[in-house]
Amino acid sequence: ETGVTQSPTHLIKTRGQQVTLRCSSQSGHNTVSWYQQALGQGPQFIFQYYREEENGRGNFPPRFSGLQFPNYSSELNVNALELDDSALYLCASSGSGRPLNYGYTFGSGTRLTVV
Amino acid sequence: AQKITQTQPGMFVQEKEAVTLDCTYDTSDPSYGLFWYKQPSSGEMIFLIYQGSYDQQNATEGRYSLNFQKARKSANLVISASQLGDSAMYFCAMRELISSGSARQLTFGSGTQLTVLP
Repeated sequence: ETGVTQSPTHLIKTRGQQVTLRCSSQSGHNTVSWYQQALGQGPQFIFQYYREEENGRGNFPPRFSGLQFPNYSSELNVNALELDDSALYLCASSGSGRPLNYGYTFGSGTRLTVV
Repeated sequence: AQKITQTQPGMFVQEKEAVTLDCTYDTSDPSYGLFWYKQPSSGEMIFLIYQGSYDQQNATEGRYSLNFQKARKSANLVISASQLGDSAMYFCAMRELISSGSARQLTFGSGTQLTVLP
């Protein structure tokens, strides 16, 4: 089975711009979550999508938005980029029928730098 | 609200020796799962081991074992026979087993950077 793939791997944007990050979930997985990991910190939950609907959100402002498509792939959009948005963005997928102890399957992330 | 605390920013261990990485947690939910992930410099989170709150025995996966002390709310990771390839960032995480329909997000600690010395 294929794993979780994220694109692009690296990205540099200017403050105020908008960015779209993409994630292809593992085959058979219908739930996708996005995490932000600032340098030297643990990942922070942004939001989760299940069957194309957002069903949970962390403490992130509305300029962080997302989509999930019928094939369960997902996008993370960030508007009006700020310097503090510089981070590694991780996508994780899981299946509703998957045993709990498998947690999520993570991608390698997109490293976003805002200048 | 759930919280994970990892108090060791960095740890060093000699190759072939065992090392324990500390993790304490806080939650009001009686049902939860505890995870350990390894994050090499490539960035990917690699699942290592899982412990459910109702599991009677400590989890083991190869060279990894989880020292689960529920009353103390600790879930320490023990790596036996350390290898050079074990050098990485290690994260403890928790997921509350809340009702269906709600997001089952992971809450992570701040991580421990493990360096294995030759």
